[in-house]
Amino acid sequence: GIQVEQSPPDLILQEGANSTLRCNFSDSVNNLQWFHQNPWGQLINLFYIPSGTKQNGRLSATTVATERYSLLYISSSQTTDSGVYFCAAPATSGTYKYIFGTGTRLKVLA
Amino acid sequence: GAVVSQHPSRVICKSGTSVKIECRSLDFQATTMFWYRQFPKQSLMLMATSNEGSKATYEQGVEKDKFLINHASLTLSTLTVTSAHPEDSSFYICSARDTRGNEQFFGPGTRLTVL
Repeated sequence: GIQVEQSPPDLILQEGANSTLRCNFSDSVNNLQWFHQNPWGQLINLFYIPSGTKQNGRLSATTVATERYSLLYISSSQTTDSGVYFCAAPATSGTYKYIFGTGTRLKVLA
Repeated sequence: GAVVSQHPSRVICKSGTSVKIECRSLDFQATTMFWYRQFPKQSLMLMATSNEGSKATYEQGVEKDKFLINHASLTLSTLTVTSAHPEDSSFYICSARDTRGNEQFFGPGTRLTVL
């Protein structure tokens, strides 16, 4: 089945800084989502982005399916951005069960 | 829209008892729901796929007799951890796919502690 890896594993930023998180996947995908897990464990949907680019406020994401990676950009980071960021993709083509990436743990300092 | 709830949010039980966790899609119907487990500082691991009106399908290594899944309606799936042991202590999270699109939405999770 597919393998999903994320980098960097840990990231510390000063408030106001920009960052790029990367998600690599081992097989072609037709479905990919980015999530933010807050300190209470809730997974918050950021983007559903099987291909192309989307933007939502200070966040944007790009998936290049042919090259098997996706990027999440965070601009002007805030302390509330702290938490763990996951990408997830279907375990096999045609299914909806997700394999989660290894996660990026982000801490934004005031 | 697309809200998924879980109940209880936290449960503490004694070893050997059974615990039921409910997952509900509040504003959409979900023919398929998924159950994940997350250990501290680790990623989410898929346990099983819950199918409305049929048997659940389990991932390799997940004991189906220990983790009983019932998906009796289009808005409710339940996970019962039978004869729980301390090693079953974990954060259990469900998700549901909104069939109006392909996006999945996740419940807030249930933290299980087995003493």
